[in-house]
Amino acid sequence: QSALTQPASVSGSPGQSITISCTGTSRDVGAYNYVSWYQQHPGKAPRLMLYDVSERPSGVSNRFSGAKSGNTASLTVSGLQAEDEADYYCCSYAGSSSLVFGGGTKLTVL
Amino acid sequence: QVQLVESGGGVVQPGGSLRLSCAASGFSFNSYAMHWVRQAPSRGLEWVTFIRHDGSSEYYADSVRGRFTISRDNSKNTLYLQMYSLRPEDTAVYYCAKDQGQFGEVLIFDYWGQGTLVTVSS
Repeated sequence: QSALTQPASVSGSPGQSITISCTGTSRDVGAYNYVSWYQQHPGKAPRLMLYDVSERPSGVSNRFSGAKSGNTASLTVSGLQAEDEADYYCCSYAGSSSLVFGGGTKLTVL
Repeated sequence: QVQLVESGGGVVQPGGSLRLSCAASGFSFNSYAMHWVRQAPSRGLEWVTFIRHDGSSEYYADSVRGRFTISRDNSKNTLYLQMYSLRPEDTAVYYCAKDQGQFGEVLIFDYWGQGTLVTVSS
């Protein structure tokens, strides 16, 4: 199972919006609406930010939103804040009770 | 509050074995599937394995199938990962993670432990 493809890095200024893409195949991202996103600050455990493409767990800011089109999912962070600077990972169901992660994207807030 | 505390990491030689534990508290452990996810140094996340809430089934990534075994003791609220035939590429921080779904896995990790480092090196 190959990792999903994410850009290595994205950046934006405070208050701006950024979008991180997550490209898979018709056997994972394209086949199921089971894409989740995780935020990881340096030296910390990951944190669930979105699941089922666009659902937010309680406690996650509505500045985080998700979408999917075909084999590509995306995470948008609006109104960028310094605390959003972190690594972000997408994850998709890949059939047969297996999961595949993206390679991760480093978000820098300028 | 939900707490997951991993232990058992360390340095092991290639071909060796190691058993990781994850002590859970703050939720009904026997109601949720549990996962292991690993992260090689300065690398991304990789799902490793999960076990159903009642221990009835286990699922593995291709990279560890046949070498790793996940298990759980619901009477002790503890998750385990027995690792055999370890390779240098198994070097990683191993996280245990709770599944979001109750009595049925949804393959979403809503709580994570802080991880335990496994280093495979001679």
